[in-house]
Amino acid sequence: GAGVSQSPSNKVTEKGKDVELRCDPISGHTALYWYRQSLGQGLEFLIYFQGNSAPDKSGLPSDRFSAERTGGSVSTLTIQRTQQEDSAVYLCASSFGQGRTEAFFGQGTRLTVV
Amino acid sequence: SQQGEEDPQALSIQEGENATMNCSYKTSINNLQWYRQNSGRGLVHLILIRSNEREKHSGRLRVTLDTSKKSSSLLITASRAADTASYFCATDGAAGNKLTFGGGTRVLVKP
Repeated sequence: GAGVSQSPSNKVTEKGKDVELRCDPISGHTALYWYRQSLGQGLEFLIYFQGNSAPDKSGLPSDRFSAERTGGSVSTLTIQRTQQEDSAVYLCASSFGQGRTEAFFGQGTRLTVV
Repeated sequence: SQQGEEDPQALSIQEGENATMNCSYKTSINNLQWYRQNSGRGLVHLILIRSNEREKHSGRLRVTLDTSKKSSSLLITASRAADTASYFCATDGAAGNKLTFGGGTRVLVKP
């Protein structure tokens, strides 16, 4: 596609429910990142995929969070048993990787846990 | 954890003035990048400076990098109301892996 696409744009869910957030990176980009941003704050790194290497999961805040990237393309971030503190904008970005780290961002998914 | 820290956290200037913001980081880097964010959504890449470069220009943007001090600055000259946004620095490790962002500087340009 022309850019990084994220869906849904907005998600309201009840506390305790599971949610899945999707990211379609730019075709040909081998690196994919997930970040979380609370209102007025910076970007909190969550997870990083680079090609076929094992993902860097060092930023995932708890075992309720997981992510996968199928076929080196689409990625899904799953949050199980959502809590109110999970409310934030979840941003996905992709880059060519391998030293070319200029990242292209999607518009994010605004998650609200009620 | 955040690699970069921006300073100041917020900046308010009049249209036409210059805006300067700084970024400090902790570990060795391959390059440093600046991004802009409007309305709390997707970030847009502005400029990249490599670890062996000291200064770079792009339009009204000027970026400097001092690897001995582990710091960078972004200067926006002749600011416009449309420059109102949050600006973030990002670094990747010397191995060229993941991008880590700072907390950002919120810039308000008053017409």
